[in-house]
Amino acid sequence: QQQVKQSPQSLIVQKGGISIINCAYENTAFDYFPWYQQFPGKGPALLIAIRPDVSEKKEGRFTISFNKSAKQFSLHIMDSQPGDSATYFCAAGAAGGTSYGKLTFGQGTILTVHP
Amino acid sequence: GAGVSQSPSNKVTEKGKDVELRCDPISGHTALYWYRQSLGQGLEFLIYFQGNSAPDKSGLPSDRFSAERTGGSVSTLTIQRTQQEDSAVYLCASSFRTGGHNEQFFGPGTRLTVL
Repeated sequence: QQQVKQSPQSLIVQKGGISIINCAYENTAFDYFPWYQQFPGKGPALLIAIRPDVSEKKEGRFTISFNKSAKQFSLHIMDSQPGDSATYFCAAGAAGGTSYGKLTFGQGTILTVHP
Repeated sequence: GAGVSQSPSNKVTEKGKDVELRCDPISGHTALYWYRQSLGQGLEFLIYFQGNSAPDKSGLPSDRFSAERTGGSVSTLTIQRTQQEDSAVYLCASSFRTGGHNEQFFGPGTRLTVL
């Protein structure tokens, strides 16, 4: 019940295209859904995050869409650029109890944007 | 100071040896997390510290793994009698506080290779 399932495992997009990565969760206690971006040899860095009281959040070219009833959320990268090539992780967290702040991560998506 | 720092960046050890991995969180951050990232996998939660106490040790894979945090700052993750399956990148993250969900800032990780 703690799993977060992420797809696809890898994604190749042409420059200027839209990249879409999907995640699904089971634990209805999750109330925080961040996306992290990781470049080789670096630690993950927070890209954008959403809470379940909204269905969409946009920051620049990055948008999270959230479907609470389906327990799914996705990351859309508009006008994808070669510099966006990285591994993207979705995650989910639940407030309260002894798991406060702990994040459960998806398996990651390797995004390659061709020039 | 700067971001989260971890040392060593790389560690190669022989099966059966003990290793210590160090994490220096961002100054003033009270929460500290350890995760493990195996090749091609997402991040696996290991342990979380609030100050010097560890309310959630649920992710430690076996009793060969232990962690401590002193002075509310530096944390050490110790793996005793290392096994080849312990080979992974060990990531540390810190966040300002645990009230609500706060951004976790990740270090660059320690790549552990057990021969």
